[in-house]
Amino acid sequence: EPEVTQTPSHQVTQMGQEVILRCVPISNHLYFYWYRQILGQKVEFLVSFYNNEISEKSEIFDDQFSVERPDGSNFTLKIRSTKLEDSAMYFCASNTGTGAYGYTFGSGTRLTVV
Amino acid sequence: KNQVEQSPQSLIILEGKNCTLQCNYTVSPFSNLRWYKQDTGRGPVSLTIMTFSENTKSNGRYTATLDADTKQSSLHITASQLSDSASYICVVSSNNAGNMLTFGGGTRLMVKP
Repeated sequence: EPEVTQTPSHQVTQMGQEVILRCVPISNHLYFYWYRQILGQKVEFLVSFYNNEISEKSEIFDDQFSVERPDGSNFTLKIRSTKLEDSAMYFCASNTGTGAYGYTFGSGTRLTVV
Repeated sequence: KNQVEQSPQSLIILEGKNCTLQCNYTVSPFSNLRWYKQDTGRGPVSLTIMTFSENTKSNGRYTATLDADTKQSSLHITASQLSDSASYICVVSSNNAGNMLTFGGGTRLMVKP
């Protein structure tokens, strides 16, 4: 069964550093997403990406964050100047298209900012 | 603001017993509602997906119901197994350009032998 792959599974970074979280969505999917889950809290939507541009973003997704699809397979989330409160699980997801039936999540990257 | 609320927050049942988890939502425009199972430290895995016109959907021992008028859903688990111990999350998809999902806080289910 096709999977969404995320790397690394766990990343520790110092406050103020930049991190890039990587995702390989399912190959024939058209929509790509990032979500995050702070420990003990709900999963929260960050951003959706379609046709090489952001289609929706939440209030959380401020100028500190950016997304990119640098080639035909990878989808990245960059966090500039990380803060302690950025510590969370970050989930990538991809979707076949409208209707959201094909939504598939990766296993997540646990980001720890120290 | 789109919201999904779930109850109970946590539940402990004995192996072999049934349980029902509840979900209320205020999400607009509504596209579909799904239940996810999330093991600790893992990504959510979809159990069922229901559109506006569907009242019930089953997936093995999982049966979900949807009342679009009252904006409520339930997930019924029959003959629970130890491996059912996980968080069960109600998620509503909004029919907007990004198809973003709004997550509930989940019900943490523990099945004991």
